[in-house]
Amino acid sequence: DIQMTQSPSSVSASVGDRVTITCRASQGISNWLAWYQQKPGKAPKLLIYAASSLQSGVPSRFSGSRSGTDFTLIISSLQPEDFATYYCQQANSFPLTFGGGTKVEIK
Amino acid sequence: EVQLLESGGGLVQPGGSLRLSCAASGFTFSSYAMSWVRQAPGKGLEWVSAISGNEYYADSVKGRFIISRDNSKNTLYLQMDSLRAEDTAVYYCAKRGGANWNFDYWGQGTLVTVSS
Repeated sequence: DIQMTQSPSSVSASVGDRVTITCRASQGISNWLAWYQQKPGKAPKLLIYAASSLQSGVPSRFSGSRSGTDFTLIISSLQPEDFATYYCQQANSFPLTFGGGTKVEIK
Repeated sequence: EVQLLESGGGLVQPGGSLRLSCAASGFTFSSYAMSWVRQAPGKGLEWVSAISGNEYYADSVKGRFIISRDNSKNTLYLQMDSLRAEDTAVYYCAKRGGANWNFDYWGQGTLVTVSS
């Protein structure tokens, strides 16, 4: 199984800050990585697919990139509605696996 | 508008069974692979099962859960047998997004509680 190691597990940030979340795959997954945002009591929402493609309707302050087996989600200027938990997910092979999550909290 | 509506969750004793349903609308259901993802209370996301031309399962549910679909009813199912306490979670159905095994639409979830 492919393990997805996500870091940090939590981050405290202020509105306007740049936030970086990383996810490392235990083996190569090409660009088959997605990022989701989840707010308490709600279903996850797809932000980024194929490592760097922005899902329709998602603000452009969200971006994704890949370097080898390392993947990064960047929120360029944190907005109040961005405080949530973020998950990566490898879409390369079964079993599909998620990272452990990163909670973005208000500083 | 794409909508996914899960139902069938509830309280069940260990060893019991439950069948979840996910009613889909707003897209051509038969053309898309579908999946179940769960989230234990206070925990992260865990993929459970998927169905395209084939069925796929997480090791934790293999042999106990069966995924199926009825394209005439636009409905996805998850038959869960031999339930354990560790199966307690919110179960989401999710629609596969295009060629990727990522998920572009999710239901609101249904809570399954396995307890005596």
